[in-house]
Amino acid sequence: QEKVQQSPESLIVPEGAMVSLNCSFSDSASQSIWWYQQHPGKGPKALISIFSNGNKKEGRLTVYLNRASLHVSLHIKDSQPSDSAVYLCAVETEGADRLTFGKGTQLIIQP
Amino acid sequence: EAAVTQSPRNKVAVTGGKVTLSCNQTNNHNNMYWYRQDTGHGLRLIHYSYGAGSTEKGDIPDGYKASRPSQENFSLILELATPSQTSVYFCASGEPNERLFFGHGTKLSVL
Repeated sequence: QEKVQQSPESLIVPEGAMVSLNCSFSDSASQSIWWYQQHPGKGPKALISIFSNGNKKEGRLTVYLNRASLHVSLHIKDSQPSDSAVYLCAVETEGADRLTFGKGTQLIIQP
Repeated sequence: EAAVTQSPRNKVAVTGGKVTLSCNQTNNHNNMYWYRQDTGHGLRLIHYSYGAGSTEKGDIPDGYKASRPSQENFSLILELATPSQTSVYFCASGEPNERLFFGHGTKLSVL
């Protein structure tokens, strides 16, 4: 069974700072890796995904994947108070249409 | 934006009682999922479905049944509710290799 671990558990940064979130997974044959954002009392919302080694940029978000080290990271540039949320890393299991989620990182952006 | 609607939003049940959580999606997605979210555990997959009439066990299916009577509807059934099933339950829909769309969640308390 796929295992997904995220770090740090929580993070507090000032507005405008660069944010870096980490995720490690256990199965090198995993398919896409997704990042979801969850605000209090809401369901998770997909932000960005990556499949191939390397990086992918969308707006203020950049994701880096290294399959050899089973590691993926999400970087948020010019962080805003509205970015305050829980960020969930999710790995798509090979051969099955299902995601395994990490426990999440609680991010707080201080104005 | 794709829509996933869960009902009820909040539910209080008694131990040993039967609970049915309902989910409706208007996205015409084949796949639907039930997750529960608990502090310290993150999102865990209970049951999922590939289409009408199909249900599959996820990672923590014990004590739960699922029903997919149509493309749009997916229910989670607790035949004999226990306090350990107190949690927030999320329904999601999606297509393979694409993002999942989540509902707002159902907060269930079993007393």
